[in-house]
Amino acid sequence: SQQGEEDPQALSIQEGENATMNCSYKTSINNLQWYRQNSGRGLVHLILIRSNEREKHSGRLRVTLDTSKKSSSLLITASRAADTASYFCATSGNTPLVFGKGTRLSVIA
Amino acid sequence: EAGVAQSPRYKIIEKRQSVAFWCNPISGHATLYWYQQILGQGPKLLIQFQNNGVVDDSQLPKDRFSAERLKGVDSTLKIQPAKLEDSAVYLCASRHYRGRDNSPLHFGNGTRLTVT
Repeated sequence: SQQGEEDPQALSIQEGENATMNCSYKTSINNLQWYRQNSGRGLVHLILIRSNEREKHSGRLRVTLDTSKKSSSLLITASRAADTASYFCATSGNTPLVFGKGTRLSVIA
Repeated sequence: EAGVAQSPRYKIIEKRQSVAFWCNPISGHATLYWYQQILGQGPKLLIQFQNNGVVDDSQLPKDRFSAERLKGVDSTLKIQPAKLEDSAVYLCASRHYRGRDNSPLHFGNGTRLTVT
């Protein structure tokens, strides 16, 4: 399975702190994507990193990919209460996206 | 652009009853997915359509679940008969097909199904 597994399962931080979430996967991939899901809503795409990329930035988001370790990390800098959500990594190879169980992030104001 | 539309938003049924969910993807998106998301877990793919053809339905419980996308646009997912373990959020997603380039998925807000 190409399923990504996020770590930690839950994370609670104070507003303004940085939040780091990790994702590990098992097989080779074409790209890895991160999604956010607010309570009661669908998933929203955040960022995609291709297998030949090592780091990517988008606003307050920074994603790294280490294909040798089959792992990725998502860093959210200067977190806000509005960042409270579940975050999922999804890996793709020759099959449709497969999602992990997610990290539940709580940002306390 | 309008997002992925799903209805109903909520549905409560008794076990052994039937239920249907509807999805209207983003205009021009050839690829459509149905995912099942059980509380506290990540979405699990049920079926993938490319236009009106099925690409992957390997995880669809075909004895009770069916899905169609007759004109390559809207799609319906049906459960008949429902079981207690079918209680979940059913998410529809679509994307613009660009070959092997897995462009981002656009999700609807889902239908929350409760089977009692």
